[in-house]
Amino acid sequence: DTAVSQTPKYLVTQMGNDKSIKCEQNLGHDTMYWYKQDSKKFLKIMFSYNNKELIINETVPNRFSPKSPDKAHLNLHINSLELGDSAVYFCASSQGVGKVSGANVLTFGAGSRLTVL
Amino acid sequence: GESVGLHLPTLSVQEGDNSIINCAYSNSASDYFIWYKQESGKGPQFIIDIRSNMDKRQGQRVTVLLNKTVKHLSLQIAATQPGDSAVYFCAENSGGYQKVTFGTGTKLQVIP
Repeated sequence: DTAVSQTPKYLVTQMGNDKSIKCEQNLGHDTMYWYKQDSKKFLKIMFSYNNKELIINETVPNRFSPKSPDKAHLNLHINSLELGDSAVYFCASSQGVGKVSGANVLTFGAGSRLTVL
Repeated sequence: GESVGLHLPTLSVQEGDNSIINCAYSNSASDYFIWYKQESGKGPQFIIDIRSNMDKRQGQRVTVLLNKTVKHLSLQIAATQPGDSAVYFCAENSGGYQKVTFGTGTKLQVIP
């Protein structure tokens, strides 16, 4: 059973389109995240949700809108796609918030490679 | 802003030798550090972590050293194997909300 699963794995689309990436975790974790990894492998946090509540919202264009229908799901919707949005997007989850031992360890999905033409 | 960075972007090591991957951080408030391994086509995977009240922590074939004085940590891999070939990231958390900041990554290449 995959712990953190995201779909689709590959997404190729034209500039200006709207697309979504879905993420689900079956670990019972309270916190979920979206990270963006660029071509140089740099990983940057975009959003974090704890029990469906947004707790981290980095400087991300408002074309990106996360949605968490329940604590096991965190989807990412992107409007009006631009060339610079091409990247690998990783969903992740962790046990909780704060300094509890192990709570900060992230479990990542396999990534969704988005290519904007 | 605060950042976590690595000294070497690529490290080539002979199979069987020990590997040392270094990481510098600038946020003096960081109190928790994690090393992740990312294999090609996969997401990062947890390797080992260390809290700021420790200087050293050992796992299976891996050791993390933390030097808070110079804001430096390292990952040592003993008897490096071909399966260790991957990109390694250090990451830090300064407590509170779950904002884990990743360094730029080091690619480890193991030569058979």
